[in-house]
Amino acid sequence: EDQVTQSPEALRLQEGESSSLNCSYTVSGLRGLFWYRQDPGKGPEFLFTLYSAGEEKEKERLKATLTKKESFLHITAPKPEDSATYLCAVRSGGSNYKLTFGKGTLLTVNP
Amino acid sequence: DTGVSQDPRHKITKRGQNVTFRCDPISEHNRLYWYRQTLGQGPEFLTYFQNEAQLEKSRLLSDRFSAERPKGSFSTLEIQRTEQGDSAMYLCASGQAFIQDTEAFFGQGTRLTVV
Repeated sequence: EDQVTQSPEALRLQEGESSSLNCSYTVSGLRGLFWYRQDPGKGPEFLFTLYSAGEEKEKERLKATLTKKESFLHITAPKPEDSATYLCAVRSGGSNYKLTFGKGTLLTVNP
Repeated sequence: DTGVSQDPRHKITKRGQNVTFRCDPISEHNRLYWYRQTLGQGPEFLTYFQNEAQLEKSRLLSDRFSAERPKGSFSTLEIQRTEQGDSAMYLCASGQAFIQDTEAFFGQGTRLTVV
């Protein structure tokens, strides 16, 4: 069974203080690792999909990287508007395209 | 059509009542998923459609839950005889088959409160 563990559960940063979120996974035949951002009371907003170890993708202050066992979401010089819960999910070869999610990391960026 | 649409956004119901939620996917997407999310947890998979065929159901989906996707367009999720444990955010997502593992785009969800 696919498993996803995210750490830390919560992270508080000062504006401009760069950091990284971790997503460790166990999956049979990775068919994609997904990062989403979720604001309170709203649905997850798609950020990135990574497919193979060594792959990297960037969007504004966010950069996602992937190894065979984990993914990192690097946040460079964050702003208060980056405050949200960041969710990681995996899709495996035998999963019929469903996603298995971690519990998320709640990021708070203080001005 | 700019995204996945869900209706209603909020629903409060009394225990034992039936409720139905609707999801309109992105128009060209033939895959449709339902997930459930409780506070402090990530979304959990409930069921999956490709076109009108329901191809997978989670063990989380008890006999009180039923989902349909007539004509492969919109989908409905019905919960019969609601229980307080059904209180959650119900999320719909859609994607496109036959294109390399397309991303799943989520709607804004329906927040169900059972009192």
